[in-house]
Parts: sequence; structure tokens; C-alpha cells
Amino acid sequence: DQQVKQNSPSLSVQEGRISILNCDYTNSMFDYFLWYKKYPAEGPTFLISISSIKDKNEDGRFTVFLNKSAKHLSLHIVPSQPGDSAVYFCAASEGSGTYKYIFGTGTRLKVLA
Amino acid sequence: DSGVTQTPKHLITATGQRVTLRCSPRSGDLSVYWYQQSLDQGLQFLIQYYNGEERAKGNILERFSAQQFPDLHSELNLSSLELGDSALYFCASSSGTANYEQYFGPGTRLTVT
Repeated sequence: DQQVKQNSPSLSVQEGRISILNCDYTNSMFDYFLWYKKYPAEGPTFLISISSIKDKNEDGRFTVFLNKSAKHLSLHIVPSQPGDSAVYFCAASEGSGTYKYIFGTGTRLKVLA
Repeated sequence: DSGVTQTPKHLITATGQRVTLRCSPRSGDLSVYWYQQSLDQGLQFLIQYYNGEERAKGNILERFSAQQFPDLHSELNLSSLELGDSALYFCASSSGTANYEQYFGPGTRLTVT
């Protein structure tokens, strides 16, 4: 049973436009979410996180939105750059007292120059 | 460079064999996590250690075991290997026990033939 789902395996976006990556979850106890970026032959790199007490968190070109009622989060990248081409994973945890993250299967983003 | 090191980078072995994967966390990080990424799958959490003690277990098979040593490096032991154990194994570290960003190593690619 996949508790964290990234239903789009891939996404192509033109350079300079917005990239929107989506993630859905089923466990209402999840209250901390992260996005990771992964380049080939490297480990995932932490990108941005959001706690369930917020509905938005911004860091430069990256913004994560959380809709708790819909159990949905999204990562917006504006403007998209060719260097953003990578696989993006969302992950969720149940917060303090739980020490593991559940990862989605990833979305491969390709930013076209 | 995340500061997390993993050795070896690649490992090819036969079914039925036993291997040991090694991880050194970032300086100062007390938590170590092990993940398995099979083809086209997300990262599956295996196990977490905090300052030498096991803190959380995920989908780790009984044939697999791990430990964290006093110098905080960790080893993941995989025995009676099967073809399905072929995967990327990632180690990650963080400073605390929960809700901290995890920093990933480059992974060890295990191929069981």
C-alpha cells in the first residue's frame, strides 16, 4: 500500500516556465513533508520541507504548498532552469516520535532549453 | 557533497552470498538511516540508528541486519542474497532523531547474479 504517491512519473517543462510537481498521501497522521532532488549516480539532496501547521513554504525559486484536507502537496519551481532536470521525491513522516520517512516513487523533471 | 560517505560504490556478488555495506555519517550527525531503492521504486526505509541504538525499523528483511558503531559509522549486512536484493542502497544521516532533514550518501549499487 503506497502511502505517498507521485502519480506523474515524468514531466517536461520549457526553461523559464513554472514546474509543478504533485504528491498525494493517504495517512492523515503525516505532519511533516520534504522534497528531495536526485541527479543520476548521486544520492537524493534535500530541497525544502513543510510542517503541517503551515500551508506554504518558500525558498528562492522553490515553493511547497500543502493542502491537508485534500492530503496533497505540490512543489513549484519558478522559473525552471535546465539544471533543475532531475528526479524529485516527496517524503512524509508522522512527526516527533516517528523516525522514518515514507518516500514516493519520484517524478522525473526535464527542463527544456 | 553531502558529507555522507558510502563504500563500496558498486558490488557484484552471487546468490547465497553475504555482503557488508558501510556508511560514515556527516560530522556531528548521530542518526543513520538505511534505504533500499529497487528499479523504478521509491526509497524504502529499512532501519534507523541513533547514537548506536536501533530507533526504527521499516521493511527490513530478516536476512538483513545493521549496526552503528561507537564512532557512529554504520554497516548494513545482507546475507543469503537473492536476485531481488539487487538495488541501490542509500545511507542518510541527520542530527536528531525525528523531523530533521536527512543527508544522503551517493549509494551502493548491489548486483546479485
